[in-house]
Amino acid sequence: EAGVTQSPTHLIKTRGQQATLRCSPISGHTSVYWYQQALGLGLQFLLWYDEGEERNRGNFPPRFSGRQFPNYSSELNVNALELEDSALYLCASSLHRGEKLFFGSGTQLSVL
Amino acid sequence: SQQGEEDPQALSIQEGENATMNCSYKTSINNLQWYRQNSGRGLVHLILIRSNEREKHSGRLRVTLDTSKKSSSLLITASRAADTASYFCATASSGGSYIPTFGRGTSLIVHP
Repeated sequence: EAGVTQSPTHLIKTRGQQATLRCSPISGHTSVYWYQQALGLGLQFLLWYDEGEERNRGNFPPRFSGRQFPNYSSELNVNALELEDSALYLCASSLHRGEKLFFGSGTQLSVL
Repeated sequence: SQQGEEDPQALSIQEGENATMNCSYKTSINNLQWYRQNSGRGLVHLILIRSNEREKHSGRLRVTLDTSKKSSSLLITASRAADTASYFCATASSGGSYIPTFGRGTSLIVHP
C-alpha cells in the first residue's frame, strides 16, 4: 500500500512569490490535513479537507489556501510569500476523522 | 495554539533504560495520540488512547491517560539507539472537532 506522498520535497522561493504544494493521500482516505512546522517548533494546524470540502482552517492568514480534488488529493497554495513562511509543510491523511494520521515526508519551503 | 504540551522538552538516556514523557492538555478530549518524528521528516503514529481508556500497550510502549488531571504519559521500556527521535502528543477535542492538535514535542536521545 502506497503511503502519503508529497511533492516537491524541497521548494525555494523569494519573498512575494507564490508556492504550490501537493499531497496524495493513502488510497481510501478521504480526510487530508495540512500542518506547518517551523524549525524547532511543534505542528501548527493549517487546513482540513474531507470529502472534497474544506472543513476547518487554523489561525493563518487568507493567503494560505488550498483545495481537495475529486480523487481526494490536495493542494496547498501560499500567496505573497514572507520570510517567516519558511518551514516544513506536512500533509497527513486519515481513514477516520481525527484518528491515526498517516503523514507524508513533507515539503521543505525556503523563502529567501 | 498548542493544546498538548510535552514534558520534558529534552531527554537523554542510555540504551536499555526506560524513557518517560508526559503530555498535559487543556480541554476535554475524544482521544489522545502519540507520534514519533525522526530528523524533521514525517510523523509516525504510535498509539491512540480514547478518553474512556486508562492504559494501552503496544510492544515496548505503554501509554496512560488521566482525564481528571488532563494528562498522559508515554513510557518506552528498554530503549534502543533507534528510539532517538522527537515524540509528540496530539489531542482531538470533544464536541465534534476532528483536528488533532500537537504539542511542541519531547526530543529523546538514546546513547548506545
